[in-house]
Amino acid sequence: DTEVTQTPKHLVMGMTNKKSLKCEQHMGHRAMYWYKQKAKKPPELMFVYSYEKLSINESVPSRFSPECPNSSLLNLHLHALQPEDSALYLCASSQGEDVYNEQFFGPGTRLTVL
Amino acid sequence: AQKITQTQPGMFVQEKEAVTLDCTYDTSDPSYGLFWYKQPSSGEMIFLIYQGSYDQQNATEGRYSLNFQKARKSANLVISASQLGDSAMYFCAMSFGGATNKLIFGTGTLLAVQP
Repeated sequence: DTEVTQTPKHLVMGMTNKKSLKCEQHMGHRAMYWYKQKAKKPPELMFVYSYEKLSINESVPSRFSPECPNSSLLNLHLHALQPEDSALYLCASSQGEDVYNEQFFGPGTRLTVL
Repeated sequence: AQKITQTQPGMFVQEKEAVTLDCTYDTSDPSYGLFWYKQPSSGEMIFLIYQGSYDQQNATEGRYSLNFQKARKSANLVISASQLGDSAMYFCAMSFGGATNKLIFGTGTLLAVQP
């Protein structure tokens, strides 16, 4: 299994809602990532988890809360988002955490905040 | 600071011809990785090819090859025998940060393959 899965594919939420994005991989990878991609822009790193511990937070607002319950699963909890948070949210994983490991991406969740 | 530059916002190529997508990078780290990803309109980022900073030979993966010129800090992607399914956005990316895999992307090149 060489796949990273993400659910849901699409999500529409209001600014007062609480929702969660889910990412799963079964490749035995030890590092997992969240990226945000605005339309016609490259992805931007949000969070890095290494061995289930948060190792990088790229100064992301607290309305985004990541969680890594186990080595295969990564969640992104959303609360009180703003319309400018509408974007494609991509999850990725890599076998190791050093710079020589390619990251494999999931299909993404398209989020719209009304 | 680390930086990735892709100077071609868009490119056209005829089916079955080869095409080169340009990428230059800037870093003072001796250890880094260079990657190319393909993103179709569906949104998924598809890993294509990787080159490590200490690799002596250029990487190849099927129809994809990476022309790595370390002194010039360039990592161009060559796609041979283009197919209609190659039409997509292509991102060059660099990993840095030593033991922590931080990935930064260039602005991308939109490739259109014409029949």
